[in-house]
Amino acid sequence: GAGVSQTPSNKVTEKGKYVELRCDPISGHTALYWYRQSLGQGPEFLIYFQGTGAADDSGLPNDRFFAVRPEGSVSTLKIQRTERGDSAVYLCASSLGHQSNIQYFGAGTRLSVL
Amino acid sequence: QQQVKQSPQSLIVQKGGISIINCAYENTAFDYFPWYQQFPGKGPALLIAIRPDVSEKKEGRFTISFNKSAKQFSLHIMDSQPGDSATYFCAASRGSGRRALTFGSGTRLQVQP
Repeated sequence: GAGVSQTPSNKVTEKGKYVELRCDPISGHTALYWYRQSLGQGPEFLIYFQGTGAADDSGLPNDRFFAVRPEGSVSTLKIQRTERGDSAVYLCASSLGHQSNIQYFGAGTRLSVL
Repeated sequence: QQQVKQSPQSLIVQKGGISIINCAYENTAFDYFPWYQQFPGKGPALLIAIRPDVSEKKEGRFTISFNKSAKQFSLHIMDSQPGDSATYFCAASRGSGRRALTFGSGTRLQVQP
């Protein structure tokens, strides 16, 4: 597709369950970012990949959160033992990396933990 | 620690008026200051961005004013239109934007016809 694609668009889960959120970046974009946006707030940085490696994971709130990008394209954000406080919209963005500083965002995955 | 503070939280402007949103930052290592526009159900989209070596940047009806000594920057929307009604976020980054963005808390703009 032309833009950043995130699936699913909505995810409802129960407290304690494991979830995976997927991000398909724009083709050719080497940098990929995950953010979390709570209701009425600005996006909050979680992790940033340059290629396959996590260049900065300082925003991950705790060890229940983990993200991978094994082939340098698609990324998966994984949340273990979900808590109600994890409910938010999880946004993914991609950019051309060293060639550009413009981050293009997907529409996000709305996660609801019941 | 909120590194980018944004105000006002909400703003109502008449069609044709000027919308002004302000942001202040704390980290002097920031060197890239974008503004994003977000419509309900959509991801943020880059509107305009500025680097600290210039005091103003204009693109169409949108202008960023930047005051490095005060560590403040603002977005001005001239001739505001109902289609501009959205939430606006200021942000800041190190590494000329090739790093994580730190966002403000957002301003919900409503332009009345």
